[in-house]
Amino acid sequence: DAGITQSPRYKITETGRQVTLMCHQTWSHSYMFWYRQDLGHGLRLIYYSAAADITDKGEVPDGYVVSRSKTENFPLTLESATRSQTSVYFCASSEGIKNSPLHFGNGTRLTVT
Amino acid sequence: AQSVAQPEDQVNVAEGNPLTVKCTYSVSGNPYLFWYVQYPNRGLQFLLKYITGDNLVKGSYGFEAEFNKSQTSFHLKKPSALVSDSALYFCAVGDYKLSFGAGTTVTVRA
Repeated sequence: DAGITQSPRYKITETGRQVTLMCHQTWSHSYMFWYRQDLGHGLRLIYYSAAADITDKGEVPDGYVVSRSKTENFPLTLESATRSQTSVYFCASSEGIKNSPLHFGNGTRLTVT
Repeated sequence: AQSVAQPEDQVNVAEGNPLTVKCTYSVSGNPYLFWYVQYPNRGLQFLLKYITGDNLVKGSYGFEAEFNKSQTSFHLKKPSALVSDSALYFCAVGDYKLSFGAGTTVTVRA
């Protein structure tokens, strides 16, 4: 089925561990995004990508790394997880045309202990 | 810089009554405005977007939004709310990358 899928849905990790969240889309959308959702903050943009091999920081990029070697994949890596990175992470994609809506995955709930 | 504000954390209405979820925006240039809905354990779903020149925008599931340039507002409305409309609603602004409000939890009681 066409769409955007995130894996895993749930992840528990320990402080200091590296963890990678996966995102895959089948629409061939040029733009992809990573947001985190925290109570009281809504969604905050971590990183985004306008095309393969082009990435840029969002509002809260510290502690995160992204890559985009293929148009359809946009993994997010926490190099050394901290408790403050406990959150729900959403990947999204769009056609990249102004006013085109974002399409979201179902999220990854990450707990850092 | 671009931002939106949703002044109400929660909105409670009875089924069949009108529903309004408020949003104000701040942006330089043309505003690209959106509404999304989130159901539990799901990602955000697109409801509608502002189209330049249309002050009343119609979207999915019977929702509409009223754009008011002088008040810099983009309020979401539904004439007759359903229990199934209970969810978390987000207003957003942006051309390619969106900035979201903090969200408004809507509860529709039977």
